Amino acid sequence: DAGVIQSPRHEVTEMGQEVTLRCKPISGHDYLFWYRQTMMRGLELLIYFNNNVPIDDSGMPEDRFSAKMPNASFSTLKIQPSEPRDSAVYFCASRPGLVLGGELFFGEGSRLTVL
Amino acid sequence: QKEVEQNSGPLSVPEGAIASLNCTYSDRGSQSFFWYRQYSGKSPELIMSIYSNGDKEDGRFTAQLNKASQYVSLLIRDSQPSDSATYLCAVNTWAAGNKLTFGGGTRVLVKP
Repeated sequence: DAGVIQSPRHEVTEMGQEVTLRCKPISGHDYLFWYRQTMMRGLELLIYFNNNVPIDDSGMPEDRFSAKMPNASFSTLKIQPSEPRDSAVYFCASRPGLVLGGELFFGEGSRLTVL
Repeated sequence: QKEVEQNSGPLSVPEGAIASLNCTYSDRGSQSFFWYRQYSGKSPELIMSIYSNGDKEDGRFTAQLNKASQYVSLLIRDSQPSDSATYLCAVNTWAAGNKLTFGGGTRVLVKP
């Protein structure tokens, strides 16, 4: 299996522009998570899905952020409009639907810089 | 109070010594606990999981869990320079929708 695939790996954009980050989870995994990592705030959970349904989006910072999972093999995280404080590494991760949780498999991350 | 708390470090240990990392969590209903290692510029990778009170050993790593005290720790024996990384504690809570929450991480520096 190719693992969790994220794109783009790096994105540099200007304030006010729309940013779309993409994720392909590991086939057969029921859960998909989006995290944001910064030096100041560490690894923050933004939103996660179970069988394509959003379960908890309480970590989404504000209405500028939205996430979708139209099918089991694809998810997007969109920021519109982007701001410099959104600069961070965004990780997508997936895992099987085990009762005790199980190992979370991370993508390589998308490094976003908003100028 | 943060859901999962760790000392940010850096924790500096000489090569060959034992590194001891601590993590506390706030939700008594949490049932699964994980330690991830993250090298600079890389994504986190799982090194240990523990579900029951007591110790679990895997090579040079030992995880310890005390649910009554809401405390989980990681010991790294015979520390090597390659162990220099940030170690993230993660807590899974089934009752909260199988939510996985990470602590802020402890940076470990192993000096030759």
